Amino acid sequence: DGGITQSPKYLFRKEGQNVTLSCEQNLNHDAMYWYRQDPGQGLRLIYYSQIVNDFQKGDIAEGYSVSREKKESFPLTVTSAQKNPTAFYLCASSWTGYGYTFGSGTRLTVV
Amino acid sequence: DAKTTQPNSMESNEEEPVHLPCNHSTISGTDYIHWYRQLPSQGPEYVIHGLTSNVNNRMASLAIAEDRKSSTLILHRATLRDAAVYYCISFEGSQGNLIFGKGTKLSVKP
Repeated sequence: DGGITQSPKYLFRKEGQNVTLSCEQNLNHDAMYWYRQDPGQGLRLIYYSQIVNDFQKGDIAEGYSVSREKKESFPLTVTSAQKNPTAFYLCASSWTGYGYTFGSGTRLTVV
Repeated sequence: DAKTTQPNSMESNEEEPVHLPCNHSTISGTDYIHWYRQLPSQGPEYVIHGLTSNVNNRMASLAIAEDRKSSTLILHRATLRDAAVYYCISFEGSQGNLIFGKGTKLSVKP
């Protein structure tokens, strides 16, 4: 079955460490997205990519980095520069201009 | 992409219809109205979308006002599994990205 796989489901990070969240899709979608969700809030866009080897900053890109070397993969790195990284991270993909398919999320906690 | 306004929360009884309203008074002629829902600790899932005329699918119906300044998501018979946060989003598609507000938290009582 086609879909989006995010891993790991839960991730714990020590302060000052970089961590990378994985997002893989087999839907052959061109566009991929990373969102962050804090408790009781809506989703905020971190980065998005419409095509391989190209990506753009969203509303809250500071402290995050991404790469898009393959169509299927869009990993997100949460760097030590992100001051409040504890959140629920969601990856999505779409045909440009159509509905989004979301992964099941990664819950990141700083310890 | 136009801003949308939704009630913070709504309640429904199981097996009764639910009408979830959304205002989008600044919507442009090319913006589609999308609805997504998010169950606790899961990613959002697509529910339905439309442009001008009413739309139906196996999950829900979307009723769009003639002036397109508002729309209503209709769940014909609410079940406990329909308890979720429902997001109404105005989205042109070829430009921009889905912008999620806080949505409407729907509670379903048995």
